[in-house]
Amino acid sequence: DSGVTQTPKHLITATGQRVTLRCSPRSGDLSVYWYQQSLDQGLQFLIQYYNGEERAKGNILERFSAQQFPDLHSELNLSSLELGDSALYFCASSAGTRDRAEQFFGPGTRLTVL
Amino acid sequence: GNSVTQMEGPVTLSEEAFLTINCTYTATGYPSLFWYVQYPGEGLQLLLKATKADDKGSNKGFEATYRKETTSFHLEKGSVQVSDSAVYFCASSNPSGGYNKLIFGAGTRLAVHP
Repeated sequence: DSGVTQTPKHLITATGQRVTLRCSPRSGDLSVYWYQQSLDQGLQFLIQYYNGEERAKGNILERFSAQQFPDLHSELNLSSLELGDSALYFCASSAGTRDRAEQFFGPGTRLTVL
Repeated sequence: GNSVTQMEGPVTLSEEAFLTINCTYTATGYPSLFWYVQYPGEGLQLLLKATKADDKGSNKGFEATYRKETTSFHLEKGSVQVSDSAVYFCASSNPSGGYNKLIFGAGTRLAVHP
């Protein structure tokens, strides 16, 4: 158990809909990262937050957004869903942002868009 | 930009065989290097890491050495077990610029048979 929790574990929805994925980092970790794992794109970095502020963006679509709340949990919002958004979405956390601390991954949320 | 290339799988071995999974990277600056493992139906777990040239990371019988001259971080294990069957991801990070996203290789599936 990494200490990172993600909910829900599975999500099935239809095209055009909007969903919210939730992540709670390990106790004390200030950085939260979101990654997408799909069959065609592999594991890709989406976005990072550090202590409530956006720090880095990767290959995140404009239809996707995220935020980190004062209690440090984070939410990833996916809107106008398309079939190609079906993937496993991982959240990870680490203690800092500039250090070389390892990232601890949650179990993931499997999103299926029908 | 930074990238990670690892050998394609699947790799199929008999129990107690020697394992090598090749990984090479391109990066600006001096990245940290990681091997993560994903067991079926689970999230990513850090297997080992190395933060500077010539460092050797090791865990659970697995080893990898950070080779700056060949930009490689090959994963090795002397005697694999059936329980090692999983997908292995090589990753690099580069905290310069104020963030610490991970860049993953495509993953190598390992199947170990009794």
